[in-house]
Amino acid sequence: EDQVTQSPEALRLQEGESSSLNCSYTVSGLRGLFWYRQDPGKGPEFLFTLYSAGEEKEKERLKATLTKKESFLHITAPKPEDSATYLCAVHHNYGQNFVFGPGTRLSVLP
Amino acid sequence: NAGVTQTPKFRILKIGQSMTLQCTQDMNHNYMYWYRQDPGMGLKLIYYSVGAGITDKGEVPNGYNVSRSTTEDFPLRLELAAPSQTSVYFCASTTGQGTIAFFGQGTRLTVV
Repeated sequence: EDQVTQSPEALRLQEGESSSLNCSYTVSGLRGLFWYRQDPGKGPEFLFTLYSAGEEKEKERLKATLTKKESFLHITAPKPEDSATYLCAVHHNYGQNFVFGPGTRLSVLP
Repeated sequence: NAGVTQTPKFRILKIGQSMTLQCTQDMNHNYMYWYRQDPGMGLKLIYYSVGAGITDKGEVPNGYNVSRSTTEDFPLRLELAAPSQTSVYFCASTTGQGTIAFFGQGTRLTVV
């Protein structure tokens, strides 16, 4: 059964304190791994797609990496506006569905 | 482009009542999805559609129905609302299988 877990469940950082969020997945035939950002009361917003192990994508203070079993979202020198819930999702080759993880709630304190 | 638009944003239903959650997209996407999001849980797929006239069940379809008469609209129908349907509902669309999903702003539904 396809499964996605994320850790930690919640993370509090001081502004400028770099860290990483983890997404571990079990899926038969990965088509793509997606990272989304979700602000309170809003829908998820796309950040990155990764397709193969070793791939990396960057956007401002965020960098996503992918291995055969997990993905990391590295946050460098975060700012308070980076506070949000970060969702990881996988899409497999044989189905229509995305399987989402429960998310990591990030708080960046000034 | 408005993207994916959901209405209403909030709703309170009494047990046994029915309602329709509206979802429309203006990106000409073929694929549309309905998810529910509960605290501490990942988004769970309720129903999806790969094109007008074609719908299929997701992981948690019981108590819900959908229709897809046009490319733009994908309404979700709740019949005989139950407290277990208290959740936040998101509609999403994609251009195709495994591509970037665009989400609406969500509908927060409470069944009392």
